[in-house]
Amino acid sequence: QKEVEQDPGPLSVPEGAIVSLNCTYSNSAFQYFMWYRQYSRKGPELLMYTYSSGNKEDGRFTAQVDKSSKYISLFIRDSQPSDSATYLCAMSESHLSRSASKIIFGSGTRLSIRP
Amino acid sequence: DTAVSQTPKYLVTQMGNDKSIKCEQNLGHDTMYWYKQDSKKFLKIMFSYNNKELIINETVPNRFSPKSPDKAHLNLHINSLELGDSAVYFCASSQGTRRETQYFGPGTRLLVL
Repeated sequence: QKEVEQDPGPLSVPEGAIVSLNCTYSNSAFQYFMWYRQYSRKGPELLMYTYSSGNKEDGRFTAQVDKSSKYISLFIRDSQPSDSATYLCAMSESHLSRSASKIIFGSGTRLSIRP
Repeated sequence: DTAVSQTPKYLVTQMGNDKSIKCEQNLGHDTMYWYKQDSKKFLKIMFSYNNKELIINETVPNRFSPKSPDKAHLNLHINSLELGDSAVYFCASSQGTRRETQYFGPGTRLLVL
């Protein structure tokens, strides 16, 4: 079983829809959770960073972590064509400032927002 | 002005060759990384340098050798290239070791024939 599972998609929704992207994981020691956005032929860029369970909101983006279910989500409200990209979840056991901490990435979900 | 740049962007080469990929960051960061993203889009860390000192060295064949001449540069040299080395290689940098705020370069697409 992979440490982090993510549906590769593609997921296609109309402009303005609410998008839900999800990841499940098997390692209960993960405490730090991230979402990255990767446009085609570009490097990933960090969207959201959360610690432990709970919600975090930033503009149209909301990250949700449920450690009891080992499940994390990213919601995008009022989706725009410019949100079309691959979204990668990522997680780590220890604080990311510790030199030996590793980030484990999901394989990414390809999202397409139709105008 | 590009924050993290990589050269070349594309690299097509034959099996058995030796090649290098270069990375430069102009953000003043002191930590740099190499990641490999395979065809299934899995992104895995290979190496990390902090102030020119190797701090992460994942289970990577010793055909891969990183070199950090200074804090702004981290190069990756690959000897005896194999078909399985075909992937996109991303360089990244961060301030200190705060990996959650790392900036990625545009990637180098390596194809080994």
